[in-house]
Amino acid sequence: DAGVTQSPTHLIKTRGQQVTLRCSPKSGHDTVSWYQQALGQGPQFIFQYYEEEERQRGNFPDRFSGHQFPNYSSELNVNALLLGDSALYLCASSFIGGDTEAFFGQGTRLTVV
Amino acid sequence: DAKTTQPTSMDCAEGRAANLPCNHSTISGNEYVYWYRQIHSQGPQYIIHGLKNNETNEMASLIITEDRKSSTLILPHATLRDTAVYYCIVKGANSKLTFGKGITLSVRP
Repeated sequence: DAGVTQSPTHLIKTRGQQVTLRCSPKSGHDTVSWYQQALGQGPQFIFQYYEEEERQRGNFPDRFSGHQFPNYSSELNVNALLLGDSALYLCASSFIGGDTEAFFGQGTRLTVV
Repeated sequence: DAKTTQPTSMDCAEGRAANLPCNHSTISGNEYVYWYRQIHSQGPQYIIHGLKNNETNEMASLIITEDRKSSTLILPHATLRDTAVYYCIVKGANSKLTFGKGITLSVRP
């Protein structure tokens, strides 16, 4: 059983460009959440998708958007990249609900130059 | 979601038990205590979670005080591979995880 997989593992983009990151959840999971982790900080919640809709959103600008597909996989899109968007982007999958653990992928390291 | 307070860092000797404390004095009745760890530049790894009873799995034990205002994660026989940042998180029913700075555990030979 494959766990959470993310692609690509590393990415370098230029300021002002757009980027799309991808996530395949653990088999059977229906909920995908995205987190941003800057160097030396804990992960920060971006948003959560369930039933192909954004259910919750953290304190991130509209430049950050996402999508969930019928097979539960998800994409994170970031427009108009800033140098400060350089970070490790983590995807976590789970079942919706209160008492379920989330499993994380290995992340995508995005560098904006 | 309730906030948690953890020491910045601690160390322990290889083979000994590592006891990692966490305070969550504002936890509400339906919130769970979760522990994750993150080894350098990898994704966070789920360890254990509990509501009010003590929990044990193959990785660790979680001891929650009766008033639920604090908890302790116990790694019974720490190894060098347990060196990581450990996050104590209180999570409500909405599945969002709110990470703090965590505690850096260093296991020394």
